[in-house]
Amino acid sequence: EPEVTQTPSHQVTQMGQEVILRCVPISNHLYFYWYRQILGQKVEFLVSFYNNEISEKSEIFDDQFSVERPDGSNFTLKIRSTKLEDSAMYFCASRNSDTQYFGPGTRLTVL
Amino acid sequence: AQSVSQHNHHVILSEAASLELGCNYSYGGTVNLFWYVQYPGQHLQLLLKYFSGDPLVKGIKGFEAEFIKSKFSFNLRKPSVQWSDTAEYFCAVNGGGADGLTFGKGTHLIIQP
Repeated sequence: EPEVTQTPSHQVTQMGQEVILRCVPISNHLYFYWYRQILGQKVEFLVSFYNNEISEKSEIFDDQFSVERPDGSNFTLKIRSTKLEDSAMYFCASRNSDTQYFGPGTRLTVL
Repeated sequence: AQSVSQHNHHVILSEAASLELGCNYSYGGTVNLFWYVQYPGQHLQLLLKYFSGDPLVKGIKGFEAEFIKSKFSFNLRKPSVQWSDTAEYFCAVNGGGADGLTFGKGTHLIIQP
């Protein structure tokens, strides 16, 4: 069964550094998403992406964040200058019809 | 804005007990409702979903949920739980033109053998 994959599984970075989290959505899916879950809190929607542009974003998704589909298979989330409060689990998801399928997540730790 | 409340944060049951996990949402328009499960060490998986039609929906692994519009609820049920149902359960909603899911805080379910 096709799955969403994410790399790396765990990323440790210093405050102020840029990070890129990578996702490979399910191959025939057209809609892509990023969510995050700060430890002990809810899973929160960040952004959705369709037809090579952002279709929806939350207020969390500020100028520090950007998304890109650099080729036909990858979908990336970039955080330009990480802050301590960016430490969280980041989930990628994709869908083709009505159901979002989630990847295993990347745990980002900002020191 | 949409919000989702899951009232039970931790639930401990014995095998064969019946399960009901509460989920309430706040949004006045048309919504789509989901229950996702996250087994230990695994990613979020869809248990079941409701878009329209019969308000009683059946999902995988014997789970079902009932959409009660008047109560803004979408409670998850299973008549007889198994040890393998130990997991984190998340209720989620989208709708009204919003595609991103709004999640509840999750319920950590532990089934004791």
